Amino acid sequence: DVKVTQSSRYLVKRTGEKVFLECVQDMDHENMFWYRQDPGLGLRLIYFSYDVKMKEKGDIPEGYSVSREKKERFSLILESASTNQTSMYLCASSIPGQGRSNEQFFGPGTRLTVL
Amino acid sequence: DQQVKQNSPSLSVQEGRISILNCDYTNSMFDYFLWYKKYPAEGPTFLISISSIKDKNEDGRFTVFLNKSAKHLSLHIVPSQPGDSAVYFCAASAITGFQKLVFGTGTRLLVSP
Repeated sequence: DVKVTQSSRYLVKRTGEKVFLECVQDMDHENMFWYRQDPGLGLRLIYFSYDVKMKEKGDIPEGYSVSREKKERFSLILESASTNQTSMYLCASSIPGQGRSNEQFFGPGTRLTVL
Repeated sequence: DQQVKQNSPSLSVQEGRISILNCDYTNSMFDYFLWYKKYPAEGPTFLISISSIKDKNEDGRFTVFLNKSAKHLSLHIVPSQPGDSAVYFCAASAITGFQKLVFGTGTRLLVSP
C-alpha cells in the first residue's frame, strides 16, 4: 500500500512566521505535489516536482517555495505566513505514466491556521 | 478560469437510491478523468477513472460516464449508502500536462438512512 505522510495534522502559526510543511512517501514515486484545499475552490496546485531537486510552479505558487532534496521527501515552505494562507494543505505523489491514469496518492492533510 | 467545473456544491439522496454527480470541462486536451472521494480531515482517495477513448467504466456500485462531445462526465452510485457521504472531486489530466491533475470544486454528497 502506498503511504504518504505529512508531518503535522494541525498547525497554528503567527503572521510573518516561516512555516515548513513536510511530506514523505514510501513508494519510490518520482512525482510529488502540493495542493491547498479551500471551501468552494476545490484543490489548487501550488507546486510539483517530477524528480529530485526539480520543481515546477503550479497554479498558485505566490508566497510559497518548495524543496526536494531526496526522492521520498517534498517540503512546502511559507516564507512569511499570512492569514490568507490559512487552509488545508495536501501532499500527493504518483508514478509517471502509471497506466496513463495519473492517479495520485494523497496524504491526510495539514490544517494550517495563521493568526 | 475554471477548466473543470462541478456546478452542484451539494446533493442529498436517500439510502438505496441512485446518486448522480456531474462534472463539466472546457479543455479539449484532457484525455483522462478521475473521481476522488474525500472525508473530513482525511486526504482524497481515488475512486474510479475513465480514459477519453471510452464512454463508460464500471467498478461495483460506481460507474463513470463520459460524453466527449458535451465535455461532460458523471459519476453514478447505485445503490447509495450512508458511508458514501463525503465530498467528491472530479479531476482531469492532459497528455501534455506533465501528469498534473486539474480538480473541480467538489460536490458534497449526503446519503440519509
